[in-house]
Amino acid sequence: SQWGEENLQALSIQEGEDVTMNCSYKTYTTVVHWYRQDSGRGPALIILIRSNEREKRSGRLRATLDTSSQSSSLSITAAQCEDTAVYFCARGWSNTNKVVFGTGTRLQVLP
Amino acid sequence: DAGVTQTPRHEVAEKGQTIILKCEPVSGHNDLFWYRQTKIQGLELLSYFRSKSLMEDGGAFKDRFKAEMLNSSFSTLKIQPTEPKDSAVYLCASRLGGRVTEVFFGKGTRLTVV
Repeated sequence: SQWGEENLQALSIQEGEDVTMNCSYKTYTTVVHWYRQDSGRGPALIILIRSNEREKRSGRLRATLDTSSQSSSLSITAAQCEDTAVYFCARGWSNTNKVVFGTGTRLQVLP
Repeated sequence: DAGVTQTPRHEVAEKGQTIILKCEPVSGHNDLFWYRQTKIQGLELLSYFRSKSLMEDGGAFKDRFKAEMLNSSFSTLKIQPTEPKDSAVYLCASRLGGRVTEVFFGKGTRLTVV
């Protein structure tokens, strides 16, 4: 991966638990995307956070962006079985606007 | 309202063959991306087009991978010749562009090279 030292992880938690996934990057970025990929499908955007927001919520999802530490996190509160998926962080490169993804975190929520 | 369409969904090729994967982006989108997805490397960017112009050519993927965008509604990714290590899911994605940053993905083509 060109960025996103997210490291391919596999997390397994019980339904009802909270979970946080982290992403760090080497160069400054003003926008971080978080995508979710279900089996057999392409990734889909679930939350986008800009540097002037620091924190953004969408339902049970909460994303943070810390430009000083060059890191972002995605938290899921009270995880449910349907949250089982692979989660990616992604950022754009300012000079070309290409979008580069991290290696992903495979989350399994057990009943 | 059609999203990103990729064909075929599955492809099996023998080592040394030439294969062509196809993609139709979301209508009106200006940016198009090709990614390769494996469990180890995750999503690797192969090519990036903006308004049909090639902006990113994939670095290490240049020698056997060639993406083209002949018109704004159709792109191809050619792999020639294929090698077993090319076995992966190939994802096409598009984006409106400008200040709109969300990327929309197709379902992917699963390539197996034997």
